[in-house]
Amino acid sequence: GEDVEQSLFLSVREGDSSVINCTYTDSSSTYLYWYKQEPGAGLQLLTYIFSNMDMKQDQRLTVLLNKKDKHLSLRIADTQTGDSAIYFCAEIHYSGAGSYQLTFGKGTKLSVIP
Amino acid sequence: DGGITQSPKYLFRKEGQNVTLSCEQNLNHDAMYWYRQDPGQGLRLIYYSQIVNDFQKGDIAEGYSVSREKKESFPLTVTSAQKNPTAFYLCASSPDRGNEQFFGPGTRLTVL
Repeated sequence: GEDVEQSLFLSVREGDSSVINCTYTDSSSTYLYWYKQEPGAGLQLLTYIFSNMDMKQDQRLTVLLNKKDKHLSLRIADTQTGDSAIYFCAEIHYSGAGSYQLTFGKGTKLSVIP
Repeated sequence: DGGITQSPKYLFRKEGQNVTLSCEQNLNHDAMYWYRQDPGQGLRLIYYSQIVNDFQKGDIAEGYSVSREKKESFPLTVTSAQKNPTAFYLCASSPDRGNEQFFGPGTRLTVL
């Protein structure tokens, strides 16, 4: 079945760049997403990339997609303490009978050291 | 102010009791979803609904039930048959089945 893998922890110093990596298995995914979850809260959609794109930039966020290797990354420039959270990678796939589902990775906990 | 609301934020129940978690959206989205989140496990899909009066089981539907009588509402009942119900429950909605999902703030259920 579909699977999404992420490393569980990342620690960076304030002001540095953070790079969170993700690999996925479903080559037919049309969209790939990055969500942010702060403690005790729901998931906030950060950004997404369409599968025919290589890169998408949105202010401090850069998403890179290597479709050949099924590798997705999220770069956060000038990381701030407010960026400390869990970041989830997700891919959408067709699950049959007209249905689509999101498959999530287990999340990467980003800790920003002041 | 459009969004997804879940209530209550914290819920306690005794073992053997059924409990219903509320999820409401005023985004006019067709599709709605329920996920369960456990520490280190990511999100697992319980049930989803792509249209009123229709819903499908997700990956971990056993011990749960849902209804979708109105477009705006997708309540989840955690029954006594769910062996390990203590978890954080997240509701989401999507404008169409192939689009991104938007999440509510979650309900933390603790079984005593």
